[in-house]
Amino acid sequence: KQEVTQIPAALSVPEGENLVLNCSFTDSAIYNLQWFRQDPGKGLTSLLLIQSSQREQTSGRLNASLDKSSGRSTLYIAASQPGDSATYLCAVFNAGNNRKLIWGLGTSLAVNP
Amino acid sequence: DAGITQSPRYKITETGRQVTLMCHQTWSHSYMFWYRQDLGHGLRLIYYSAAADITDKGEVPDGYVVSRSKTENFPLTLESATRSQTSVYFCASSPLTGGNTIYFGEGSWLTVV
Repeated sequence: KQEVTQIPAALSVPEGENLVLNCSFTDSAIYNLQWFRQDPGKGLTSLLLIQSSQREQTSGRLNASLDKSSGRSTLYIAASQPGDSATYLCAVFNAGNNRKLIWGLGTSLAVNP
Repeated sequence: DAGITQSPRYKITETGRQVTLMCHQTWSHSYMFWYRQDLGHGLRLIYYSAAADITDKGEVPDGYVVSRSKTENFPLTLESATRSQTSVYFCASSPLTGGNTIYFGEGSWLTVV
């Protein structure tokens, strides 16, 4: 059974720091992995989608990597800003017969001015 | 504006009442989803739909009913609300399952008293 874990659950950093959020999954048979952002009281916004054949995706200050064999993904945020404060969730889409999206619980990020 | 909208955004209801949460998307996406998000459980899939008139159960379907007579609408009904159904409910849509980004509505906060 696929399980997705995000560590740490919460992170507080000063503005300007480069930071890494971690996502691990137990079954490497996935179609893709997605990173989402959720602001308080809001829905989720897709940040990056990495297909299983890809190693990384970049969007602006965000870079997501995928190491399928080790069951890990990282979301790198460069030069963090207070506006980056949010909860970041990762989700994997299973391959095979059990094709569904499995979610982590998220990392709550606070970037302090 | 195009997008995915949910109504009502906030609702308080009494135990035993029927409640319907509405979801409307303007992209003509084939797939639509209902999730609930609870502290400690993360996002859990209630029901999903691959197309009009095609629906299927997710992880936690008990106590919920869905219908999809039109591609753009996917209402979720709580037949007889219970306190355990107090949660925030998210509707989402995607053009395809698996390989595509999933788009979320802003959420419906439901309190059952």
